[in-house]
Amino acid sequence: QVQVVESGGGVVQPGRSLRLSCAASGFAFSSYAMHWVRQAPGKGLEWVAVTSHDGSNKYYADSVKGRFIISRDNSKSTLHLQMNSLRAEDTAVYYCGKSVGTDTSYYVDYWGQGTLVTVSS
Amino acid sequence: DIVMTQSPDSLAVSLGERATINCKSSQSVLYNSNNYNYLAWYRQKPGQPPKLLIYWASTRESGVPERFSGSGSGTDFTLTISSLQAEDVAVYYCQQYYSTPFTFGGGTKVDIK
Repeated sequence: QVQVVESGGGVVQPGRSLRLSCAASGFAFSSYAMHWVRQAPGKGLEWVAVTSHDGSNKYYADSVKGRFIISRDNSKSTLHLQMNSLRAEDTAVYYCGKSVGTDTSYYVDYWGQGTLVTVSS
Repeated sequence: DIVMTQSPDSLAVSLGERATINCKSSQSVLYNSNNYNYLAWYRQKPGQPPKLLIYWASTRESGVPERFSGSGSGTDFTLTISSLQAEDVAVYYCQQYYSTPFTFGGGTKVDIK
């Protein structure tokens, strides 16, 4: 069955970096776009970034543009989110989501359980 | 950016009664070339990730109970739960995937009256 499992969360100081990973299984990873979505404690969902199936197209929320980088390793069925210059407002549960299509303009049909990132001194 | 506005913020409905959630986009999410509305609905229970309910504004995801239905086009959309069950207590979100950033509505919390 389809599974996406996030890892790499933790407590990090403001201004530092963190790299999240999402291990995918149960589907042809290289055929689907992938998303990152986050949720601050007690808040709603915020879309963060998307990459097309082959990594050729990547888009970001304005709040993370220039600081976060989405990437994928199709040989390892793994999605990454490199988060630089972290701020307190980046504190959230980060979810990895599988898209239903190869391109970026599709919805997410499977979500991971999320990994918590806490930015605090 | 497309702003998604949900209403109400919360509602309480008796078991077996209808629950209606509205979602309005600041610009149309209807793609004229294929006549699809790029709008999805998700349900999120406490401590869990979101779950896909509806896509293309009105297509029910496989395995989702028939009491969930989506309607609307262009900028105005509705999620209806025809007969509320106890397990439907959750927060519901709409999301547009028409153009990046793929924005979510603020969420609607549904409780039992």
